[in-house]
Amino acid sequence: LAKTTQPISMDSYEGQEVNITCSHNNIATNDYITWYQQFPSQGPRFIIQGYKTKVTNEVASLFIPADRKSSTLSLPRVSLSDTAVYYCLVGPRGKSSGDKLTFGTGTRLAVRP
Amino acid sequence: DAGITQSPRYKITETGRQVTLMCHQTWSHSYMFWYRQDLGHGLRLIYYSAAADITDKGEVPDGYVVSRSKTENFPLTLESATRSQTSVYFCASSESTRGDEQFFGPGTRLTVL
Repeated sequence: LAKTTQPISMDSYEGQEVNITCSHNNIATNDYITWYQQFPSQGPRFIIQGYKTKVTNEVASLFIPADRKSSTLSLPRVSLSDTAVYYCLVGPRGKSSGDKLTFGTGTRLAVRP
Repeated sequence: DAGITQSPRYKITETGRQVTLMCHQTWSHSYMFWYRQDLGHGLRLIYYSAAADITDKGEVPDGYVVSRSKTENFPLTLESATRSQTSVYFCASSESTRGDEQFFGPGTRLTVL
């Protein structure tokens, strides 16, 4: 199982770019990297997923170096509403992937005015 | 309405009682999951199901029982509740053809006295 390591917490200010790094040294060849966002009293919500290089959507960017042993979630120009817990997951897609998905404790991002 | 729902949203029970948490999804997703979330542990997978009548253990299955007779329902039963099972329980569903993005329900806050 690919274990992930993230910072426990981060602080930022509105309008800044936030980069959250996840370490996954034993990532397997068929593993994907997925990030979720969780607001208080809600279930997590999918943000972005990638396998290598860079992926960008309307919410965030995901940077994955060639060795894939780490990844960085980038949130451009954060606002107060981006205050949440962010989880990095590593695991295969498709059948029988459920038992390999580990959310961990995530990174608690606090955005200040 | 389409989506994933959980019931009840809040439940208080006593040690030794049987409790069933319900989860219902309207997307006909193949996969369904049960997680528990505790302070300091993040989200931990209890059980998951790849299809009706197919279930498998996750990281913390002890003390829980699941069934899936219909694709849309995935109930979680605590056969004899213990205080250590006080937690917030999240149900999720996914369809592998969408890259395994998981859609989470609103959660059930369970307190075992």
